[in-house]
Amino acid sequence: GQQVMQIPQYQHVQEGEDFTTYCNSSTTLSNIQWYKQRPGGHPVFLIQLVKSGEVKKQKRLTFQFGEAKKNSSLHITATQTTDVGTYFCAGRRGGFKTIFGAGTRLFVKA
Amino acid sequence: GAVVSQHPSRVICKSGTSVKIECRSLDFQATTMFWYRQFPKQSLMLMATSNEGSKATYEQGVEKDKFLINHASLTLSTLTVTSAHPEDSSFYICSAISQESSNQPQHFGDGTRLSIL
Repeated sequence: GQQVMQIPQYQHVQEGEDFTTYCNSSTTLSNIQWYKQRPGGHPVFLIQLVKSGEVKKQKRLTFQFGEAKKNSSLHITATQTTDVGTYFCAGRRGGFKTIFGAGTRLFVKA
Repeated sequence: GAVVSQHPSRVICKSGTSVKIECRSLDFQATTMFWYRQFPKQSLMLMATSNEGSKATYEQGVEKDKFLINHASLTLSTLTVTSAHPEDSSFYICSAISQESSNQPQHFGDGTRLSIL
């Protein structure tokens, strides 16, 4: 069945360092979404990528969608302690059904 | 922005109890809602897709008689965990899509933390 693999599982960084999490799908996706979940909270929508090769930026966050629409990445420049949480990618292959990656837990040391 | 309300936020009850969780879209109509289950430090596992006015579509391995889903209106879906046991303890989260388009993001409720003693 459709799978979305996400790595790394955990990432410890010093405040100010960059961070990247990667997602790969076994099948071509119609779109991919990124969510952030703080400890004890619910996932919060960050962004959605639809077009092949699309790149979107939100302040220090850069999101990319691969040319084949099978992979995506989230890059955070100069991390801050407020960036702590788990980042999930979530892919759709047509329709509404969304498959979540395992998530990457980001720890930021001040 | 789109808001999804989930209630209750936390339930602690005895084994054998049935628990109902409500998911409401407050400022939009949701023809499709989703129910997820999340174990500690793990990802969200889709349990079922709830469609207004029709039967829910369950994912493989999810017992439909155990997890009853009702989507009675365009703003309300309910998940009932019947005869809950300790292994049903988990974080249950609903989400909703505001438009009939696969390019719309999901809006999540705050989740319900279910603890079965």
